[in-house]
Amino acid sequence: DSGVTQTPKHLITATGQRVTLRCSPRSGDLSVYWYQQSLDQGLQFLIQYYNGEERAKGNILERFSAQQFPDLHSELNLSSLELGDSALYFCASSYEGSYNSPLHFGNGTRLTVT
Amino acid sequence: TQLLEQSPQFLSIQEGENLTVYCNSSSVFSSLQWYRQEPGEGPVLLVTVVTGGEVKKLKRLTFQFGDARKDSSLHITAAQPGDTGLYLCAGTTGGTSYGKLTFGQGTILTVHP
Repeated sequence: DSGVTQTPKHLITATGQRVTLRCSPRSGDLSVYWYQQSLDQGLQFLIQYYNGEERAKGNILERFSAQQFPDLHSELNLSSLELGDSALYFCASSYEGSYNSPLHFGNGTRLTVT
Repeated sequence: TQLLEQSPQFLSIQEGENLTVYCNSSSVFSSLQWYRQEPGEGPVLLVTVVTGGEVKKLKRLTFQFGDARKDSSLHITAAQPGDTGLYLCAGTTGGTSYGKLTFGQGTILTVHP
């Protein structure tokens, strides 16, 4: 158990809809990262928050947004969903943002867009 | 765009055999990590290498970071069925973007008893 909790585990929704994925980091971790894993693209970095502030951005679509709340949990919002957004979405956390502070991944949310 | 190419994509071997997985890039990375992922779970960190030429051992697993910090390898000695899984390499440019990992496509390893 990594200590990172992601909800829900599975989500099935229709194209055009909006969903929210939630992540609770390990106790004490300040950084939260979101990754998308699909068969054709592999694991892709989306965005990182550190102590409530955006720190790094990757290949995140404009239809996607995220935030980290004062209690350090994070939410990833996906809107105007398309079939191609179907993927596993992972949240990871670390104490800070250096190689001395490894990432711990949750078990992901599997999103299916029909 | 930094890319990490992993090879082979698939590896099916018998228990007791040795194997090597390669991770190559044209970019220099400040650190290279190896993860193992099982179905229904997130990746789990195995090792981080940060110095060119560095070799780290974890029981039957040996990890090497290339001298130029552009490539890495994972060698498993006497593979066991419990080693079955998806192995991923990931690189970072470090600094404040340490967690902004670039992942390879992964190697699916199956070890048959």
